[in-house]
Order: sequence, then structure tokens, then C-alpha cells
Amino acid sequence: SQQGEEDPQALSIQEGENATMNCSYKTSINNLQWYRQNSGRGLVHLILIRSNEREKHSGRLRVTLDTSKKSSSLLITASRAADTASYFCATDSGGSNYKLTFGKGTLLTVNP
Amino acid sequence: NAGVTQTPKFQVLKTGQSMTLQCAQDMNHEYMSWYRQDPGMGLRLIHYSVGAGITDQGEVPNGYNVSRSTTEDFPLRLLSAAPSQTSVYFCASRGGNILEAFFGQGTRLTVV
Repeated sequence: SQQGEEDPQALSIQEGENATMNCSYKTSINNLQWYRQNSGRGLVHLILIRSNEREKHSGRLRVTLDTSKKSSSLLITASRAADTASYFCATDSGGSNYKLTFGKGTLLTVNP
Repeated sequence: NAGVTQTPKFQVLKTGQSMTLQCAQDMNHEYMSWYRQDPGMGLRLIHYSVGAGITDQGEVPNGYNVSRSTTEDFPLRLLSAAPSQTSVYFCASRGGNILEAFFGQGTRLTVV
């Protein structure tokens, strides 16, 4: 079964606003990753946070991780129309099998 | 450096036909995987491989076969296509100390 569940399923905002997406998962993890998918394209890695980290930044992206609540959030600041895409969290339980388990995604629409 | 290459991009099959979806990567990654993406379901793992000669089942393996004779290639075979296999298929690779996954552009398969 799928590990991560994103919330909300869809989010519509105006350009310049911040967008926050949440991810909950079920079992212990080694790291959690966020990916972006433009319509009809493959997924692209955005940011990774390890289980011993609580917050990480990359440009306009901020990711938090709360392992006690088994949840993560992705914040995109000062959103742009080009940020319109689906965003997925993926959990990595570690070990030698390298498996990533994806959630169902959040569809973000940024209106110009 | 092409990354992960999937062929074909689009395919229409009749029920009962067989076909092979090709996936190749040029990053010398040990780990390769196949996912299917259906509306509202996110990405579900079909099969994965942690190295040449080693494959294992994911979440939804029924109706699909894989093999890994080389590090570079990881083909996915549909033995007898069914309408339920209509989906978008993604191949991904990871390797070594690189924890992020690299995705191909996808194969959109329709079974009629």
C-alpha cells in the first residue's frame, strides 16, 4: 500500500502567494523526498530531508519533517505561474532495496 | 548524458497482445524501477531491481514481467495486455550515494 498521503489533493492560489502541501506517512523512514511533475512529464526531484533533520531550505522551497507525527510539509514561497504542477512526497525506508514509495500527489495551480 | 530513456512514448494495444516497454539509463545506477500512474492513484511500484540479475515485485506486479541482464537496461513486459493496464508507465533509477530518483518521460499505454 502507499506510504505517503498528500494533503490537500488540489490547491489553487494567486501568483505571489505561498503554497503549503502536507504529507503523512505510516512507517519509519530513512529520508523523505519531494518531487514535482509537470503535466504529461516525468517526475523531477526537488528536495530531500533526512530523518534526523527537522527543516531544510532550497531556494523558494522549505521542507519540514516531524518524525513523531510522521508528517512533512513543503512550502513554496512567492509562487509563480510556472510552479503549476503536481507535487509528490516519497518515502525511503532505507536498506538495500532502494525502494521509494510515493503518495497520490497535490495538484497546485498558480493563477497569474 | 541522456539520463533515463523510455520508449515508446505512446502505444495502443489490443486486448491480449504482448509488448515490451524499454527503459535505459546511462548513469551506472544499481537500482531501477517501474511505476504506473493512474488518475487519483499516484505512482504505484510494479517491479524493481537492485542490480543486474536481481529483480523483485513491487505493489502491483500481476500481469508484468521484468528482467535485468545489464546495469543499463530494465525492460517491462506485458504478456497479455488487458484494459486495466491502460496507464502511464514511468521508469526510474537511483544509485550509490545518490538518494534521489531520476525518471524517464513516461510511456502512455492504452489497451483497447
